[in-house]
Amino acid sequence: DQQVKQNSPSLSVQEGRISILNCDYTNSMFDYFLWYKKYPAEGPTFLISISSIKDKNEDGRFTVFLNKSAKHLSLHIVPSQPGDSAVYFCAARGKGAQKLVFGQGTRLTINP
Amino acid sequence: EPEVTQTPSHQVTQMGQEVILRCVPISNHLYFYWYRQILGQKVEFLVSFYNNEISEKSEIFDDQFSVERPDGSNFTLKIRSTKLEDSAMYFCASSVVRTGEETQYFGPGTRLLVL
Repeated sequence: DQQVKQNSPSLSVQEGRISILNCDYTNSMFDYFLWYKKYPAEGPTFLISISSIKDKNEDGRFTVFLNKSAKHLSLHIVPSQPGDSAVYFCAARGKGAQKLVFGQGTRLTINP
Repeated sequence: EPEVTQTPSHQVTQMGQEVILRCVPISNHLYFYWYRQILGQKVEFLVSFYNNEISEKSEIFDDQFSVERPDGSNFTLKIRSTKLEDSAMYFCASSVVRTGEETQYFGPGTRLLVL
């Protein structure tokens, strides 16, 4: 099931700089997208979401951009902090559906 | 802040044995879910549950799996006869409503190891 793809397994960013995590999807029926952060031995923690009727949503240091024509979304974290080091999952949900379809995750490391 | 809790955190069992994984969803949430993550793989949806009924399930959720809300607070996943390939991290999640701009909140997970 490759409906949601995160092509970068890992990303390393300097503290204070911008982190950009990318996600691509293939199913045009997806209408709601979420980003979760996961630390080892913990469950996914919700970060930010976006509906398909929007192209941008901001919450503090986190901004999610959605490009429907490209079936692409990205998460921007600025400025990046050491506590942001974690695995980030992109997830999508189809209209009327309940299940979330997850990407493989990207491990983000923030270097001091 | 309210959170989803899960017990046990770790479970080791022999192949063929039954296991029950337990979850306490956030108290005002009405929809409940189970997901799993096999080591090195994606998080996968198993089942969703509302009003004492399964509302959606994946092809993974076959006859060896069942879910139940035995009382007003617990939500359980039973695996009747465990297989080696059931070894995974199992996550419970809950949400207030089913769809729309609604977030599913996840518990910390139960790591199941089948020997």
